[in-house]
Amino acid sequence: GESVGLHLPTLSVQEGDNSIINCAYSNSASDYFIWYKQESGKGPQFIIDIRSNMDKRQGQRVTVLLNKTVKHLSLQIAATQPGDSAVYFCAENSAQETSGSRLTFGEGTQLTVNP
Amino acid sequence: DTGVSQDPRHKITKRGQNVTFRCDPISEHNRLYWYRQTLGQGPEFLTYFQNEAQLEKSRLLSDRFSAERPKGSFSTLEIQRTEQGDSAMYLCASSLYTGELFFGEGSRLTVL
Repeated sequence: GESVGLHLPTLSVQEGDNSIINCAYSNSASDYFIWYKQESGKGPQFIIDIRSNMDKRQGQRVTVLLNKTVKHLSLQIAATQPGDSAVYFCAENSAQETSGSRLTFGEGTQLTVNP
Repeated sequence: DTGVSQDPRHKITKRGQNVTFRCDPISEHNRLYWYRQTLGQGPEFLTYFQNEAQLEKSRLLSDRFSAERPKGSFSTLEIQRTEQGDSAMYLCASSLYTGELFFGEGSRLTVL
């Protein structure tokens, strides 16, 4: 079936470096993508989203890139800080979904920031 | 009310017992969602409500699961005759129509 997945399960970076977390999706009808951060014992927290009519969107220290040709999504975190250590999930929603904001999540990437 | 709240945060029960989780969404949000998350995996959609109407249920929601949102505000998720495979984090989220989903901290269920 359609799925959203991540290339790497873990990523370790040095504090101050930039981080790039990748995500591949297979549903060509997906039109809305979101990145969530989940710290241990907590619920997912919205980071940034992007619609399929865009290929780049920037937030505070974060940038999401969307390549619809290869169905690839990435999250870039600038100047990574220890507080960025968490599991990062990409999620997608399709215009064909009738379920409101029902999201399909990938498996997650554990980001570890070393001081 | 600054966010989605869930209760209890942790529940340990014996196999065969019934459990109920409660979710209080952000007050002005009309949509409420239940997701299940097992260790190391992303959340999986279970069901969602718009106001008091339950509009969709996932195939993951077996007959032992029932969710309600009687007055269009808080919601409950009940699991009857729990099984060890039900052990998971049960996440509630709310949104205003198709806007951003705000998740609660989750209710962790352990079935012994």
